[in-house]
Amino acid sequence: AQKITQTQPGMFVQEKEAVTLDCTYDTSDQSYGLFWYKQPSSGEMIFLIYQGSYDEQNATEGRYSLNFQKARKSANLVISASQLGDSAMYFCAMRLSGGSYIPTFGRGTSLIVHP
Amino acid sequence: SQTIHQWPATLVQPVGSPLSLECTVEGTSNPNLYWYRQAAGRGLQLLFYSVGIGQISSEVPQNLSASRPQDRQFILSSKKLLLSDSGFYLCAWTGDDHNSPLHFGNGTRLTVT
Repeated sequence: AQKITQTQPGMFVQEKEAVTLDCTYDTSDQSYGLFWYKQPSSGEMIFLIYQGSYDEQNATEGRYSLNFQKARKSANLVISASQLGDSAMYFCAMRLSGGSYIPTFGRGTSLIVHP
Repeated sequence: SQTIHQWPATLVQPVGSPLSLECTVEGTSNPNLYWYRQAAGRGLQLLFYSVGIGQISSEVPQNLSASRPQDRQFILSSKKLLLSDSGFYLCAWTGDDHNSPLHFGNGTRLTVT
């Protein structure tokens, strides 16, 4: 069975600095997708970035990048130039190919950006 | 473009009362639909998912049920609410591909009193 582990329950970062949120995953499948979501205090879940298991380059979306290390089974989210609005919960998730309908989520990391 | 609507945004209900939360998706057909629950400060708990009309899979045995009467409509119900049903409920949809992300509604904050 697949599993997502986010070992950092809480992280703090100074505004304008970069921060890395850790995510490791466990699956025996070769084809899968990795996702990061942001949940501000208002509650909505916002999709941030996607990385496919066969993608050779790390995904980037604006200030978000995904540091994908397949051999280590890690998919860390890097936020550059943190902003106060980045304060939120961040969830890592995985979805297998082959007709799997159930994404697997980590427990989340709470990020607080200090001014 | 695809959109997902979920209502109501907040709900306060007494113990023992019924519940009906509704979710609709626009701009896509045959989506996979999901209901999640989130306790305060916690992760997501998958309650139900549906891959087609009338097809419901339950992940957790509990006081709740789900129905999918139309392709893009997903309803979460309860006949009698319990205090433990309080939480934040999120509806979501996704496509069949493993590279398709979940798209979430804005959520319903349910307080059972």
